[in-house]
Amino acid sequence: EIVLTQSPGTLSLSPGERATLSCRASQSVSSSYLAWYQQKPGQAPRLLIYGASSRATGIPDRFSGSGSGTDFTLTISRLEPEDFAVYYCQQYGSSPLVTFGPGTKVDIK
Amino acid sequence: QVQLQESGPGLVKPSQTLSLTCTVSGGSISSGGYYWSWIRQHPGKGLEWIGYIYYSGSTYYNPSLKSRVTISVDTSKNQFSLKLSSVTAADTAVYYCARVGRSRTFDYWGQGTLVTVSS
Repeated sequence: EIVLTQSPGTLSLSPGERATLSCRASQSVSSSYLAWYQQKPGQAPRLLIYGASSRATGIPDRFSGSGSGTDFTLTISRLEPEDFAVYYCQQYGSSPLVTFGPGTKVDIK
Repeated sequence: QVQLQESGPGLVKPSQTLSLTCTVSGGSISSGGYYWSWIRQHPGKGLEWIGYIYYSGSTYYNPSLKSRVTISVDTSKNQFSLKLSSVTAADTAVYYCARVGRSRTFDYWGQGTLVTVSS
């Protein structure tokens, strides 16, 4: 079973700052099947990034994804007030077919 | 624009079966090309994939829940459903239905429905 670990657990930043979120897998993950989601309180998650680095429809270009193998990164170049949320990474491919990381909370410093 | 909406009881007694339905609008399940999934989120916790189904009825389940889960599809109603048997308090969660899009990501989600297991 592939386990996804996200760090840090909480990231305290100010609007305008750069956020760097890490997702590490216990085994190699195909870059084609690594995704990132944003979730705000009381809402369903929203797909941000698929295929490790491709932005989903309508996602601003301040969001970018990178990485391969076991190490993946989500970067938010300049935090906007609406970006303060919880971010999850997700992999597909190894039993169980789908796993999510535990999440990183980005909150206002 | 694809939209998904979960429906079902918000309260289920321990040992009973949790049953939820997801109604899809803005797209046809039977047109193929997509899997349809259930995901849950325990209060204040992360996301857990339950399983997914294709319009043909092919299913894939999380091994940790497989013995208790059944996902089915009704293409005539453009709906798919979740049954989780022998529930306990540990099954209390927000249950989401979602479409499985490109690269096996979840690109459209329902708003989620809280199911509480309690006597």
